[in-house]
Amino acid sequence: DTGVSQDPRHKITKRGQNVTFRCDPISEHNRLYWYRQTLGQGPEFLTYFQNEAQLEKSRLLSDRFSAERPKGSFSTLEIQRTEQGDSAMYLCASSLAGRAGESNFFGPGTRLTVL
Amino acid sequence: GEDVEQSLFLSVREGDSSVINCTYTDSSSTYLYWYKQEPGAGLQLLTYIFSNMDMKQDQRLTVLLNKKDKHLSLRIADTQTGDSAIYFCAERRGYSTLTFGKGTMLLVSP
Repeated sequence: DTGVSQDPRHKITKRGQNVTFRCDPISEHNRLYWYRQTLGQGPEFLTYFQNEAQLEKSRLLSDRFSAERPKGSFSTLEIQRTEQGDSAMYLCASSLAGRAGESNFFGPGTRLTVL
Repeated sequence: GEDVEQSLFLSVREGDSSVINCTYTDSSSTYLYWYKQEPGAGLQLLTYIFSNMDMKQDQRLTVLLNKKDKHLSLRIADTQTGDSAIYFCAERRGYSTLTFGKGTMLLVSP
């Protein structure tokens, strides 16, 4: 049973550049979530998908943030025109709807540094 | 308030029991979770409890839930140095998304 994978693990970029992160969920999981974690804080929910449908995106931090899951498998999170305040760990998680507990299983995260 | 609250730091000696506490806010929360995060890593699910349960035990871990007071605790028996990490409490409110506390750093000394 492979876990959730994320790529890249680290990204350093200059302010104003666009970045894209990828998440591959656990294969049988139909729900996929993006969270952001800043230093000293717990993860903060951003958006989630059930299959290819994005069911909640109001918590995305600004219109510079967007996410897709075109075929209901992997997902990408894009941040346009990055700002220094975007520096954080971006975590992806997946779950299987209807399973007892429906726990979110997390990937290792992508650490973004905006210079 | 809106926040899930946890004490920030706990220090114990190896072999002792650790108890990490959490106060959550939403009485309609269905499941409550404990996650462990080691430095630079993602979150590892430790255990969860359904909101109509009072207690759940899983090897060295015991979760106690007081729904009236919205209080959740995680007890780690025979704490080891490898248990040193940040522990997050989370509740599910609506959808299937989780709301996390700020985490409790557990330091286990030999």
